[in-house]
Amino acid sequence: DVVMTQSPLSLSVTLGQPASISCRSSQSLVHSDGSTYLSWYQQRPGQSPRRLIYKVSYRDSGVPDRISGSGSGTDFTLKISSVEAEDLGVYYCMQGTHWPNTFGQGIKLEIK
Amino acid sequence: EVQLVETGGGLVQPGESLRISCAASGYTFTNYALVWVRQAPGKGLEFVSGITSRGDYTSYANSVRGRFIISRDTSKNTVYLHMGSLQPEDTAFYYCARTTYTSPDYWGQGTLVTVSS
Repeated sequence: DVVMTQSPLSLSVTLGQPASISCRSSQSLVHSDGSTYLSWYQQRPGQSPRRLIYKVSYRDSGVPDRISGSGSGTDFTLKISSVEAEDLGVYYCMQGTHWPNTFGQGIKLEIK
Repeated sequence: EVQLVETGGGLVQPGESLRISCAASGYTFTNYALVWVRQAPGKGLEFVSGITSRGDYTSYANSVRGRFIISRDTSKNTVYLHMGSLQPEDTAFYYCARTTYTSPDYWGQGTLVTVSS
């Protein structure tokens, strides 16, 4: 299975400051169809996960443009340009290129 | 509005079986693949199983292959996860989710399966 490794282990950010989460895969996520199926999720306490980003950099409906995704091959990044209180939660990357899909271990974002 | 509602969770003893269900509404059921993802209390997300939009292909995590079976009933817009030989390490919230671009977009609220003697 493809192993997804996220860093840092945790994140504590002051409101209004930027945040960045890294995700690395154990093999390339470029699919034979040419697309790269890397997604990002936010899970707030007590809630189901919510997809933020799909195919590396496409934002889901309702996701603010201060949240962005980038990367290629095996290295990917989620960036929040200016953290707001609603951004607290655990963030997961997930690859959908190879069966079975696999998730990173999750990074908890706390607000200072 | 897309909705996914999981039911059927509960407390079972090790070695027993359980079937959980996911009822979908608000979209054309046969146009989308569905997956089951689980989360042990306080832990991360783990893909469990998936079924394609046409129901012609299924996939399983290594940890459940041979014990769990995913199926669907298009007349009821429902996906099932039949779980056999349950072990304490299978204790988790089980979420079903619709997928687009090979990743879950809409998720249910989850159903808790507890395996304990």
